[in-house]
Amino acid sequence: TQLLEQSPQFLSIQEGENLTVYCNSSSVFSSLQWYRQEPGEGPVLLVTVVTGGEVKKLKRLTFQFGDARKDSSLHITAAQPGDTGLYLCAGVSTSGTYKYIFGTGTRLKVLA
Amino acid sequence: EAQVTQNPRYLITVTGKKLTVTCSQNMNHEYMSWYRQDPGLGLRQIYYSMNVEVTDKGDVPEGYKVSRKEKRNFPLILESPSPNQTSLYFCASSPIDSYNEQFFGPGTRLTVL
Repeated sequence: TQLLEQSPQFLSIQEGENLTVYCNSSSVFSSLQWYRQEPGEGPVLLVTVVTGGEVKKLKRLTFQFGDARKDSSLHITAAQPGDTGLYLCAGVSTSGTYKYIFGTGTRLKVLA
Repeated sequence: EAQVTQNPRYLITVTGKKLTVTCSQNMNHEYMSWYRQDPGLGLRQIYYSMNVEVTDKGDVPEGYKVSRKEKRNFPLILESPSPNQTSLYFCASSPIDSYNEQFFGPGTRLTVL
């Protein structure tokens, strides 16, 4: 069974601080996605990374896919209260079955 | 507006009483999926479908059924619900391409007494 471990589980920081969330697995994924979920809503896709070593930037958010396509990180620069939410990584199986494996999530709170 | 809709949004039922949660998407996506979300466990895939009449088990399919008779609809059926199926359920759809970007519905909070 493929597993994705996310760390940290909880993070409470002050506005303006930087942070990194990690998503690790012993399995290879064909692609990896990051979502953000607000209370009472479904997850919303932030980014998809497909190629090993790929780096994508979305304003203050930087996403990286590991060279071996087993891990990923999300770095937020100068966090703002609007970044508060649950961040989820999700890997797509390489077996061609399009099964999704989600990490357990990182709950981020940014204090003003 | 492109969206995934789920009904009902909230449901309280009793053990053993069959129920169906509907899911519909208007984006002509081939892929549809059901997840349950539980505290500390994240999202776990129940069933998915890569196209009409094609369904497959995810990681936690026990106690659930699905069908995909039309491209836009993917209902989740609980034939005999039990309290351990109390959870927040999400339906999602995506095109089948290299990016597989999933669009999620608003969720259905189910309580089984």
